[in-house]
Amino acid sequence: GAVVSQHPSWVICKSGTSVKIECRSLDFQATTMFWYRQFPKQSLMLMATSNEGSKATYEQGVEKDKFLINHASLTLSTLTVTSAHPEDSSFYICSASRGTATEAFFGQGTRLTVV
Amino acid sequence: GIQVEQSPPDLILQEGANSTLRCNFSDSVNNLQWFHQNPWGQLINLFYIPSGTKQNGRLSATTVATERYSLLYISSSQTTDSGVYFCAVGEANNLFFGTGTRLTVIP
Repeated sequence: GAVVSQHPSWVICKSGTSVKIECRSLDFQATTMFWYRQFPKQSLMLMATSNEGSKATYEQGVEKDKFLINHASLTLSTLTVTSAHPEDSSFYICSASRGTATEAFFGQGTRLTVV
Repeated sequence: GIQVEQSPPDLILQEGANSTLRCNFSDSVNNLQWFHQNPWGQLINLFYIPSGTKQNGRLSATTVATERYSLLYISSSQTTDSGVYFCAVGEANNLFFGTGTRLTVIP
């Protein structure tokens, strides 16, 4: 398999502040990583594709100014939730793969609570 | 995106029983995976199976790509099998998840 590490595992922040979540591929390089969101008792929804060295591609309905994605290296992508509000509280999880259309490996996820 | 439906949505089994979970998808795909999500949210990779059949211990999976469905078989279920099972599909590495099957195995 492959190891994808996500940090932090959980975070509580005040409404109006920003939170950064990191996703690292530990034993391989990934030109693309993916960010998903999961609300309680629901499925995972793809938010965006993180592209190393270029702009992220967002799925329809996802605010790019709210969810800033940076993929500065082949092993690190970050998701910043800006001006967080309680409705942004959710489980955020990233994935990466060794190649195209190959097995995806997921990080441990980050549980964000905005109070 | 691709539409993915899983059935049944909920399943309760007696320990030792067998079960079959189904995943139907709306378009041709190059990528199909089955996951088990544990209570902490971690997605455990079960199978990468865009086509064909694979087996791993008590679990096996079959994907019939031409008919756009995949099946996950769990034999001799154990209480530790409880959790949510997701099927996820895609053309490349961006995956679209099904609605999941919540499995409860009772002793």
